[in-house]
Amino acid sequence: SQQGEEDPQALSIQEGENATMNCSYKTSINNLQWYRQNSGRGLVHLILIRSNEREKHSGRLRVTLDTSKKSSSLLITASRAADTASYFCATEEGGADGLTFGKGTHLIIQP
Amino acid sequence: KAGVTQTPRYLIKTRGQQVTLSCSPISGHRSVSWYQQTPGQGLQFLFEYFSETQRNKGNFPGRFSGRQFSNSRSEMNVSTLELGDSALYLCASSLAGLLTYNEQFFGPGTRLTVL
Repeated sequence: SQQGEEDPQALSIQEGENATMNCSYKTSINNLQWYRQNSGRGLVHLILIRSNEREKHSGRLRVTLDTSKKSSSLLITASRAADTASYFCATEEGGADGLTFGKGTHLIIQP
Repeated sequence: KAGVTQTPRYLIKTRGQQVTLSCSPISGHRSVSWYQQTPGQGLQFLFEYFSETQRNKGNFPGRFSGRQFSNSRSEMNVSTLELGDSALYLCASSLAGLLTYNEQFFGPGTRLTVL
């Protein structure tokens, strides 16, 4: 079953703009992770945010977590063509069922 | 360090056959997880192995099985293949936490086509 659901399903922006995608989940979590998948590099871990954290940064990435709303957002600033990929959030509920991935947001960066 | 490797990369089988996929984790990683990715269902967790023991299992039929060896390498087996088993099978390794999943390092996957 899908725990995380990303929104929007697809997003197309101009290079240099910021991209924001959201993830909602259903149950309590230990942590939430974001991954990127493209044909060239496969599925790559971007960032992990624990349930007691509210915000985390990594380079051009900013992730927020609101456990009261059971939601997270991923912001990519100053987008580049190489950011074109599918982005997935993944949650885990105490290690019982592995990581549960959403269906992803497909991001296209227009040159 | 070398990344996660999976063999074979592509596989074509017919219904009713069985298949074995192999995964070599990053050196030092003792946790290996397997995922199935399809356009319809997305990424779904199959199972996780840690120190040769299956620690967690997803909601897949018993036709899907796996094992882990003492060197942490892992194999998964699918018996009596069905058309719906056509998918990208991803292996991921990680430094296992006691009760939580840490950053997963994914391999390139094995693309299985069942005819």
